[in-house]
Amino acid sequence: EAQVTQNPRYLITVTGKKLTVTCSQNMNHEYMSWYRQDPGLGLRQIYYSMNVEVTDKGDVPEGYKVSRKEKRNFPLILESPSPNQTSLYFCASSLYVGGQETQYFGPGTRLLVL
Amino acid sequence: QQPVQSPQAVILREGEDAVINCSSSKALYSVHWYRQKHGEAPVFLMILLKGGEQKGHEKISASFNEKKQQSSLYLTASQLSYSGTYFCGTEDKQNAGNMLTFGGGTRLMVKP
Repeated sequence: EAQVTQNPRYLITVTGKKLTVTCSQNMNHEYMSWYRQDPGLGLRQIYYSMNVEVTDKGDVPEGYKVSRKEKRNFPLILESPSPNQTSLYFCASSLYVGGQETQYFGPGTRLLVL
Repeated sequence: QQPVQSPQAVILREGEDAVINCSSSKALYSVHWYRQKHGEAPVFLMILLKGGEQKGHEKISASFNEKKQQSSLYLTASQLSYSGTYFCGTEDKQNAGNMLTFGGGTRLMVKP
């Protein structure tokens, strides 16, 4: 089954404790992206990747890091989480962005930073 | 800059129609529409590429006015299953092929 998976689905952590949220897709998509969703603000892009070893900042990259060493995986790293990073995070992938291609979203990771 | 969606929320009775608008300050290459049910991931509805293009999906259709940098989503004869938050995602011509920027969402509630 074609899907985007994220782990963990729920995470409670404390300020400053490094964490990684994993994202994996099995559709051989080149484009992957991370979004955060906050009430009233919709989906805001954090980072995106056009292909392996190619990543770029989205609209709200501060406090986040990503890597794309393999095509299928695109982990999101919070080196020193802060309470303002409490949010719902979605990973998404598509063959490429825009055009006729839809983005497939993962199930989301709800993060609470205390 | 995020596209602006209006209205922010709308309540309908089953069978009624609704229009959701999405406006951008940038020249657009494409507009995407997604629906998100509470607690779930956004799900693709449709993509519009050309100015003036209209697409349909069951009783949900959309138009794209390239000149006005706007898109509208039309929901006709609404059903209970249409409830959720609708997002437009825009790909502007400057960043075509790079980024999709989403609006703040329109919350739709359909009541029996």
